[in-house]
Amino acid sequence: DAKTTQPPSMDCAEGRAANLPCNHSTISGNEYVYWYRQIHSQGPQYIIHGLKNNETNEMASLIITEDRKSSTLILPHATLRDTAVYYCIVRVASYGGSQGNLIFGKGTKLSVKP
Amino acid sequence: NAGVTQTPKFQVLKTGQSMTLQCAQDMNHNSMYWYRQDPGMGLRLIYYSASEGTTDKGEVPNGYNVSRLNKREFSLRLESAAPSQTSVYFCASRGIQGLDTQYFGPGTRLTVL
Repeated sequence: DAKTTQPPSMDCAEGRAANLPCNHSTISGNEYVYWYRQIHSQGPQYIIHGLKNNETNEMASLIITEDRKSSTLILPHATLRDTAVYYCIVRVASYGGSQGNLIFGKGTKLSVKP
Repeated sequence: NAGVTQTPKFQVLKTGQSMTLQCAQDMNHNSMYWYRQDPGMGLRLIYYSASEGTTDKGEVPNGYNVSRLNKREFSLRLESAAPSQTSVYFCASRGIQGLDTQYFGPGTRLTVL
């Protein structure tokens, strides 16, 4: 699985967009980009994933560059409850019967401030 | 639809005691996982079960055993607890169509004295 690089911490004002970058310059063509977050003392939470195209769901948007070497997770209107550690994970899709465990790095600690 | 549930939420053990951590999911997922998370560190896989009736070791299996009781339940047992097993334990499940979208439980905070 490709290695990812994320800034250790970021701040964001409440109500503003939070843009969290992830560098994955060694990504392979069949590797997906996943984003999870972990709010203090809770289990990790899946946010979004993508392969090539930009993706959007009710939680966030994922922008992947055309060369797929980096991506940005966008929380359009950050709230205090979005304060968490955000993890960018790159891996080949795995289906039933394979290990499929996720390898979490250190992530980006996002602090949303009032 | 409760998702992934874990019991207990907190536990304190003495060295050498045994206990079982329980995990259940109601999403009809095939794969289930046990991770541990130590302070300031990422999650490390202990054991996983790709489907009912199968279990396999992960990155840090020593000192643990698991049972995939049925499709819903996956338990983690510490036979003789050690202080090095003080950690937060998370259970997760994943559906076969879900790529690597895993759903995590709230965690069990275990302290071994």
